[in-house]
Amino acid sequence: SQTIHQWPATLVQPVGSPLSLECTVEGTSNPNLYWYRQAAGRGLQLLFYSVGIGQISSEVPQNLSASRPQDRQFILSSKKLLLSDSGFYLCAWSVSYSEQYFGPGTRLTVT
Amino acid sequence: GQQVMQIPQYQHVQEGEDFTTYCNSSTTLSNIQWYKQRPGGHPVFLIQLVKSGEVKKQKRLTFQFGEAKKNSSLHITATQTTDVGTYFCAETFTGGGNKLTFGTGTQLKVEL
Repeated sequence: SQTIHQWPATLVQPVGSPLSLECTVEGTSNPNLYWYRQAAGRGLQLLFYSVGIGQISSEVPQNLSASRPQDRQFILSSKKLLLSDSGFYLCAWSVSYSEQYFGPGTRLTVT
Repeated sequence: GQQVMQIPQYQHVQEGEDFTTYCNSSTTLSNIQWYKQRPGGHPVFLIQLVKSGEVKKQKRLTFQFGEAKKNSSLHITATQTTDVGTYFCAETFTGGGNKLTFGTGTQLKVEL
């Protein structure tokens, strides 16, 4: 069966510090991968998606970036965090035109 | 860009009452998916609707896709405390990447 992992679960970082969030998927090959951000009590905003290794599409211009160094690994990064980067970051995967499966998420607080 | 609006934003019901959330789009939807997010949790896929006028049921949940494929609804009969959470509809973008555009969500609270 397929599983998706995200870490860390929670993170508190000062403004201006770097960020690296990792997501890995097991049990499937060549998945579509997604990064979403959810502000408290709000909906899901798609940040990045990837249809293959090294292929990244950005949905929202910002100080975040994403990379996909391996088929089932998706990384979200920032060189310098802003207060507005606080939120709940969710990774998800899908195959073809089907439903998306979400990881447990990372709660990021920028102080 | 695509806009998918959901109403209501919040709903408080007494256990046993029915609940409905509506999803509306200004454009024709290719298909629609519904997700549930429990408090503190991550979204979990419930169902996908593809055909005009389609109706699907999962126990106490009834999902409907409008005839014009511009709206959808989720109806819960006789709510239970386990139904608490936020319900999102999401439109699939049939271009590259199987992207989803999520609705604004309806937060459901069920009181005993």
